[in-house]
Amino acid sequence: DTEVTQTPKHLVMGMTNKKSLKCEQHMGHRAMYWYKQKAKKPPELMFVYSYEKLSINESVPSRFSPECPNSSLLNLHLHALQPEDSALYLCASSQGGPPGATEAFFGQGTRLTVV
Amino acid sequence: AQSVTQLDSQVPVFEEAPVELRCNYSSSVSVYLFWYVQYPNQGLQLLLKYLSGSTLVKGINGFEAEFNKSQTSFHLRKPSVHISDTAEYFCAVSRSSTPLVFGKGTRLSVIA
Repeated sequence: DTEVTQTPKHLVMGMTNKKSLKCEQHMGHRAMYWYKQKAKKPPELMFVYSYEKLSINESVPSRFSPECPNSSLLNLHLHALQPEDSALYLCASSQGGPPGATEAFFGQGTRLTVV
Repeated sequence: AQSVTQLDSQVPVFEEAPVELRCNYSSSVSVYLFWYVQYPNQGLQLLLKYLSGSTLVKGINGFEAEFNKSQTSFHLRKPSVHISDTAEYFCAVSRSSTPLVFGKGTRLSVIA
């Protein structure tokens, strides 16, 4: 199984809502990532979890709150978002703690629209 | 810090013609290099990777890339493209302790 599964595929939320994005992998990977991708742009790194601990936060606003309940799951909690936060949110995983030694496997993404 | 430059934002090519998508990287230390493809409304799929060893790397869907250390390049090639190859292609670089950094992407449009 080389899949990274993201739910939901699409999400529309108001600026006062609280919602969560979920990501799951069963490849035994110990590094997991959240990327944000705007239209016609490359993915931008948001967070990295290594061995279930937050190792990188790319100065992401606090309205985005990541959580790694266990080595297979990664959540992104959303609160008080702005319309400019609308984007494709991609989850990825890779083997081992240091994330650069092997390729990252990506999920299909969650298309988020903030209204 | 490492960075990646994809020299062409768009590449139109006729079906069954060859194609080359260019990628240059900058880093003072050894890096790992990747090409990913993204179809509309999809995630990223790995085409191929260079970690070490042979500089000519073969990937999925008939793509290959050549790592050239002296020119700091990792260009992607395919000898004959299909309509189904129309997609966005991202070159990416990492080191042993850093996550992927992506180039801006190249939109490959295959024309029938």
